[in-house]
Amino acid sequence: EAQVTQNPRYLITVTGKKLTVTCSQNMNHEYMSWYRQDPGLGLRQIYYSMNVEVTDKGDVPEGYKVSRKEKRNFPLILESPSPNQTSLYFCASSPTGLLSYEQYFGPGTRLTVT
Amino acid sequence: KNEVEQSPQNLTAQEGEFITINCSYSVGISALHWLQQHPGGGIVSLFMLSSGKKKHGRLIATINIQEKHSSLHITASHPRDSAVYICAVPGRGATNKLIFGTGTLLAVQP
Repeated sequence: EAQVTQNPRYLITVTGKKLTVTCSQNMNHEYMSWYRQDPGLGLRQIYYSMNVEVTDKGDVPEGYKVSRKEKRNFPLILESPSPNQTSLYFCASSPTGLLSYEQYFGPGTRLTVT
Repeated sequence: KNEVEQSPQNLTAQEGEFITINCSYSVGISALHWLQQHPGGGIVSLFMLSSGKKKHGRLIATINIQEKHSSLHITASHPRDSAVYICAVPGRGATNKLIFGTGTLLAVQP
């Protein structure tokens, strides 16, 4: 089944404790992206990747890192999480980018930083 | 002023009604996305369109590039259509960055 998976789905952590949210797709998509969703602010893009080793900042990249060493995986790294990073996070992928294709979204990761 | 604005913010309809959700944007674009998010959080991409009209089942999306406006129509609405509908466009000068509208919360009552 074609899908985007994220792990973990729920995470409660403490300020400053490094964490990684994994994202994987099995559709051989070139484009992958991370978004966060907050009440009143809606969805905002954190980082995106056009292909292996090609990443770029979205609108809210501060406090996050990403890597794209393999085509299927695009982990989101929070080196020193803070409470303002408490949010619902979505990973998404698309065959070749946003001008030609729709995106496939993962199920979301609800992160709470205390 | 937000670069992507949706109206209405909230919409309540009776089952069977024809529904229209609007999206206006200020950036020049070559594609616009419509997304659906059901209670519980999962997001589904409904349409990506760059001109004219697309139809999928009871859903129809139209776009007018000159007027910088898109509409999402739902015919014969059903309670299972209750969700948040979000439009998104590529950012100014950055075609693979997305800017999102704040969404339209639709409730279809039986």
